[in-house]
Amino acid sequence: DSGVTQTPKHLITATGQRVTLRCSPRSGDLSVYWYQQSLDQGLQFLIHYYNGEERAKGNILERFSAQQFPDLHSELNLSSLELGDSALYFCASSDTGGNTIYFGEGSWLTVV
Amino acid sequence: GQQLNQSPQSMFIQEGEDVSMNCTSSSIFNTWLWYKQEPGEGPVLLIALYKAGELTSNGRLTAQFGITRKDSFLNISASIPSDVGIYFCAGRGGNAGKSTFGDGTTLTVKP
Repeated sequence: DSGVTQTPKHLITATGQRVTLRCSPRSGDLSVYWYQQSLDQGLQFLIHYYNGEERAKGNILERFSAQQFPDLHSELNLSSLELGDSALYFCASSDTGGNTIYFGEGSWLTVV
Repeated sequence: GQQLNQSPQSMFIQEGEDVSMNCTSSSIFNTWLWYKQEPGEGPVLLIALYKAGELTSNGRLTAQFGITRKDSFLNISASIPSDVGIYFCAGRGGNAGKSTFGDGTTLTVKP
């Protein structure tokens, strides 16, 4: 158990819909990262938040957005969903030094 | 942006054999991380390397941080069936605030 908690674990939704994925980082970690992993592909960095502020952006679509709240949990919002958005979405967290990141178990999104 | 080349892409080995995989980059990293991912689960950190030249072991796993800071390798000795999974390397630079991941090495171990 990495200490990073993600919900929901599985989600099936229709195209055009909007979903919110939730992440609670490890206790004390200020950084939260979101990654997307499509079938048979590597981990694509989406976005990094540190103590509520956006720090870095990767290949995140405009239809996607994220935020980190004062209690340090984070949400990834995916809107106008397309079939190609079906993937595993991972949240990870790290401490202030940020040298080592720990992953949650992921949220499996299926868009039908 | 920073790119990592991880090789090999996949490996099919017999139980008991040793395994070696590596990651190279044109960029310098301050930290190298190795993860293992099993189907349907999140990547689990295996080894973290923080200093050029550092050699670190975790059981049958050994990883090294290249002295040029542009590469790292992971060795698994005497492989067993439960070593099956996808192994990812990740490099972390000073300013990016994020880790760059390799595309993974898929390991299959035949009993």
